[in-house]
Amino acid sequence: GAVVSQHPSWVICKSGTSVKIECRSLDFQATTMFWYRQFPKQSLMLMATSNEGSKATYEQGVEKDKFLINHASLTLSTLTVTSAHPEDSSFYICSARVGWDTEAFFGQGTRLTVV
Amino acid sequence: GNSVTQMEGPVTLSEEAFLTINCTYTATGYPSLFWYVQYPGEGLQLLLKATKADDKGSNKGFEATYRKETTSFHLEKGSVQVSDSAVYFCALRIGGWGAQKLVFGQGTRLTINP
Repeated sequence: GAVVSQHPSWVICKSGTSVKIECRSLDFQATTMFWYRQFPKQSLMLMATSNEGSKATYEQGVEKDKFLINHASLTLSTLTVTSAHPEDSSFYICSARVGWDTEAFFGQGTRLTVV
Repeated sequence: GNSVTQMEGPVTLSEEAFLTINCTYTATGYPSLFWYVQYPGEGLQLLLKATKADDKGSNKGFEATYRKETTSFHLEKGSVQVSDSAVYFCALRIGGWGAQKLVFGQGTRLTINP
């Protein structure tokens, strides 16, 4: 199947700093990418949906100024957590799909720890 | 609203045991249903899916049947292997064409002992 790669796999940052997570589709062009957040022993919660070349659509309750999403090309989307705080510590997962009604492929996730 | 509830884990079984992981859902409209599997250190992979009532999805010996009357999509396998150890997620897909989203259950960690 298609491969989606996230980088880094884990990151530790200081409170107040910003951290960027990359999501790349390695062997296909992704028209749509999704960003999820997963708390321990909880389900994946959709944060936002981004289509290449347009602004991301955020789910209710997700702060767009805190979680900046950029989908500048058909193979790369980035999530930047700005002014991170310990409560932002979580597991972030991206997924990507080719068309409007096709299977989505998932990255391996990024564990963010804010200290 | 739309939600998915899975049986709580962790689930620990011996090799060749029968597996059932329960999944029930609530949804507006007619969702498609999925099971994803996440092996250690890897991303989620689609295991099987069903798009309408009474459909049965199957893959790698796993099966699940879309039961509209009980709003369920339980995952079963007749004889599990050590290599089946992973986290399993039940999910539904909602939304119109071009605006579809996945709603996930909390995941069930499965460990198979030799």
